[in-house]
Amino acid sequence: DQQVKQNSPSLSVQEGRISILNCDYTNSMFDYFLWYKKYPAEGPTFLISISSIKDKNEDGRFTVFLNKSAKHLSLHIVPSQPGDSAVYFCAARYNNNDMRFGAGTRLTVKP
Amino acid sequence: DAMVIQNPRYQVTQFGKPVTLSCSQTLNHNVMYWYQQKSSQAPKLLFHYYDKDFNNEADTPDNFQSRRPNTSFCFLDIRSPGLGDAAMYLCATSRGGNREKLFFGSGTQLSVL
Repeated sequence: DQQVKQNSPSLSVQEGRISILNCDYTNSMFDYFLWYKKYPAEGPTFLISISSIKDKNEDGRFTVFLNKSAKHLSLHIVPSQPGDSAVYFCAARYNNNDMRFGAGTRLTVKP
Repeated sequence: DAMVIQNPRYQVTQFGKPVTLSCSQTLNHNVMYWYQQKSSQAPKLLFHYYDKDFNNEADTPDNFQSRRPNTSFCFLDIRSPGLGDAAMYLCATSRGGNREKLFFGSGTQLSVL
């Protein structure tokens, strides 16, 4: 039962442009959402999060938007840099210790 | 540096031969998780420990077991690996609060021959 979905397996953008990664979820009980970034041969690392009581959270070049009515969240990276090239996982949780992940989107930022 | 360490990085086992994957943490976190990730799929939660309390996911096969002898260490035992168990196994930790993020190890890539 895939409760968190990232429908785009890959995304390619030009350096300096905006990267938009999308995520959809089906469980309305989710109340906390996170994005993780994963480089090859490394474990995922936390990037940014948002609580369900908010619709936007910003941290430097990274902004996460949450649309609860659509059960959709997105990660915006602007401006994109070659070092941002990685796999990005969307995750959601609905109780203290249960976190569900999407399949990931591979972002390639071209110089 | 405080971190989550998984050993080995690559593990090869034979069909049906028991195998144990290891995870240790220096973060002193309450919760330790094991995720299974197959190629191009989402990491799938197998089980987690909150301190000594074991929480198994309903669809985790009985073939998968876990032990947490102390706060720092957690093991994943696969009693009789099948070809379908070949995957990346990720260990993660968290402090256990409602807004706590997970800290991941680098994973163990398991191959079953």
